[in-house]
Amino acid sequence: QKEVEQDPGPLSVPEGAIVSLNCTYSNSAFQYFMWYRQYSRKGPELLMYTYSSGNKEDGRFTAQVDKSSKYISLFIRDSQPSDSATYLCAMSAPGNNRLAFGKGNQVVVIP
Amino acid sequence: DGGITQSPKYLFRKEGQNVTLSCEQNLNHDAMYWYRQDPGQGLRLIYYSQIVNDFQKGDIAEGYSVSREKKESFPLTVTSAQKNPTAFYLCASSMGLLGGGQPQHFGDGTRLSIL
Repeated sequence: QKEVEQDPGPLSVPEGAIVSLNCTYSNSAFQYFMWYRQYSRKGPELLMYTYSSGNKEDGRFTAQVDKSSKYISLFIRDSQPSDSATYLCAMSAPGNNRLAFGKGNQVVVIP
Repeated sequence: DGGITQSPKYLFRKEGQNVTLSCEQNLNHDAMYWYRQDPGQGLRLIYYSQIVNDFQKGDIAEGYSVSREKKESFPLTVTSAQKNPTAFYLCASSMGLLGGGQPQHFGDGTRLSIL
């Protein structure tokens, strides 16, 4: 079983819809959870960073962590064509700077 | 502006040739990383370094070499032993140990192709 599972998509939504992305993981030691956004031919940029369980909101973006289910989510409200990108989840355990990445989920927002 | 600079943006390698990819950061980060990204395979860790003059192999180190002589720089050499080098290479950095879990910040990558 891979440490982090992420459905690669692609996921197509109309402009203004809510985008819902998720990752599951197997390592219960993971405490730090990140979402990255990657545009074509660019490096990933950090979008959200959360520690342990709970929700975090930043503008149109909400990250949720459910450690009991080993499941994390990213929601994008009022999606825009500029949100079209690949979204990668990443996570790590305390004392470890190596990140475990999901394979990425391609999102297309249709105007 | 602080950030990570990778060069060149595109690189072509001939058979039997070694090529070196540059990565420089001015974020004052202790740790640096090299990843390879292939379609459908996500990011795979090649090498990482948590401090100057020290580095560790990642999951796919065969055919690659690195050095860390300066805090700001972490060049990656793709040797002729790497039989399938065509990929998008990403360099990243983070603040280092500090209890772990630090987010990594990425450069904009180098695309390497075989001639």
